[in-house]
Amino acid sequence: QVQLVQSGAEMKKPGASVRVSCKASGYSFTNYAMHWVRQAPGQRLEWMGWINAGNGNTKYSEKFQGRVTITRDTSASTAYMELSSLRSEDTAVYYCARSATSMKFDNWGQGTLVTVSS
Amino acid sequence: QSVLTQPPSVSGAPGQRVTISCTGSSSNIGAGYDVHWYQQLPGTAPKLLIYGNNNRPSGVPDRFSGSKSGTSASLAITGLQAEDEADYHCQSYDSSLSGPVFGTGTKVTVL
Repeated sequence: QVQLVQSGAEMKKPGASVRVSCKASGYSFTNYAMHWVRQAPGQRLEWMGWINAGNGNTKYSEKFQGRVTITRDTSASTAYMELSSLRSEDTAVYYCARSATSMKFDNWGQGTLVTVSS
Repeated sequence: QSVLTQPPSVSGAPGQRVTISCTGSSSNIGAGYDVHWYQQLPGTAPKLLIYGNNNRPSGVPDRFSGSKSGTSASLAITGLQAEDEADYHCQSYDSSLSGPVFGTGTKVTVL
C-alpha cells in the first residue's frame, strides 16, 4: 500500500532553515507529483508548492517563493522541503501529499511539527 | 489571497444529516475546477474523502456525498455517527494563484 513517511519533529531558532523529508513506498515514485502543505495551529491547510517527481520541475506558492525549495531523490524515493529564514509564524505541522493529474491529494504523510522559537 | 470559505462549525445528533458549504469565486470553483474534500480526525493527517466533486475513494462510506453548483460546493453527511466527529476541508484549484487552494475548515461535532 502507498505510504509516505516523514522525518521527525524539529525545533529551530528564528532565521534558521529546516529540511523535512518524505519517503514514499508502495508505488512508482516518479509517476506522481509530491506537494507540501502546512497547517499552523488553528489555521487552515496552506499549499506551499510541488515537485514533479519524474522530471524534477517545481512550482511554489507566491507566498513562499524565495524561501522554500522542494527537491527529490529518485534513487531513494524521497522528497524534501527546505524552508529558510524561519520566523515564529512558520510554526506549523508540515505535510507531504501525493497527487496525480487532478490536483487531488490522495495520500498524505503523517506530518512533521516544526517549532520556531528563540 | 483567494480562499474557499466554510462555516467554522456544524453539529448534529447521531443519525441526523448535516451539510458543509464551501464558497469560492470565479477563479476557482466558479471557473469549473474540481472540488475535493478531506476529513481530518483529531491529531492525524487529512484523508481524501470526496474527489472530483462527488466521487468517493474506495472504503469511504456512502453516507458521505458531495455536490457542486456555480461558485460553491457542499459536503453532506447522512446518518451522522460519533466517528464522523472531525475537521473537514474543501480544496480546489485557483487560476489567479496558479495552485491548489483550501477551505477555511469546518469542525463537525456529534451531539
